[in-house]
Amino acid sequence: DGGITQSPKYLFRKEGQNVTLSCEQNLNHDAMYWYRQDPGQGLRLIYYSQIVNDFQKGDIAEGYSVSREKKESFPLTVTSAQKNPTAFYLCASWGRNYGYTFGSGTRLTVV
Amino acid sequence: GQQLNQSPQSMFIQEGEDVSMNCTSSSIFNTWLWYKQDPGEGPVLLIALYKAGELTSNGRLTAQFGITRKDSFLNISASIPSDVGIYFCAGQDTSGTYKYIFGTGTRLKVLA
Repeated sequence: DGGITQSPKYLFRKEGQNVTLSCEQNLNHDAMYWYRQDPGQGLRLIYYSQIVNDFQKGDIAEGYSVSREKKESFPLTVTSAQKNPTAFYLCASWGRNYGYTFGSGTRLTVV
Repeated sequence: GQQLNQSPQSMFIQEGEDVSMNCTSSSIFNTWLWYKQDPGEGPVLLIALYKAGELTSNGRLTAQFGITRKDSFLNISASIPSDVGIYFCAGQDTSGTYKYIFGTGTRLKVLA
């Protein structure tokens, strides 16, 4: 079945460490997105990519980095510069087939 | 960053009641989407709207694309316990990018 796979489901990070969240899609979508969701809050856009080897900052890009070397993959790195990284992270992709589709999320906790 | 105003923020209703929620924006949108999110999961698309004035149903759900293109409404009829969750609206801006802006969510709780 076509869809978006995020891994891991749960991730624990020590302060000062970088961690990378995986997002893979087999929907043949060109555009991919990363959102952050805090408890009781809406979705805030971190980065998005409309095509391979190109990406743009969203509203809260500081402390995050991304790459888009393949159409299917859009990993997000949460760097040590992100002062409050504990949150639920959602990856999404968009295409004319299937529309705007989300993964099941990664919950990151700093310990 | 720009966000849509979604209301109400939360609702407690009795099973069997109808529910209405809406989103408004100061900007015009080309597309409106409505999603439902269960706890610990990603949002799932419920209804997509592509034309001003469009009214679309999906089972007990009905959504409308406002004629001003600055608002959208979602109605749920005869609510059931599994309707519990967070409902988000999203609008595609007119800048030509594939960027969607999300509302802050309506948290729905259904009392049996």
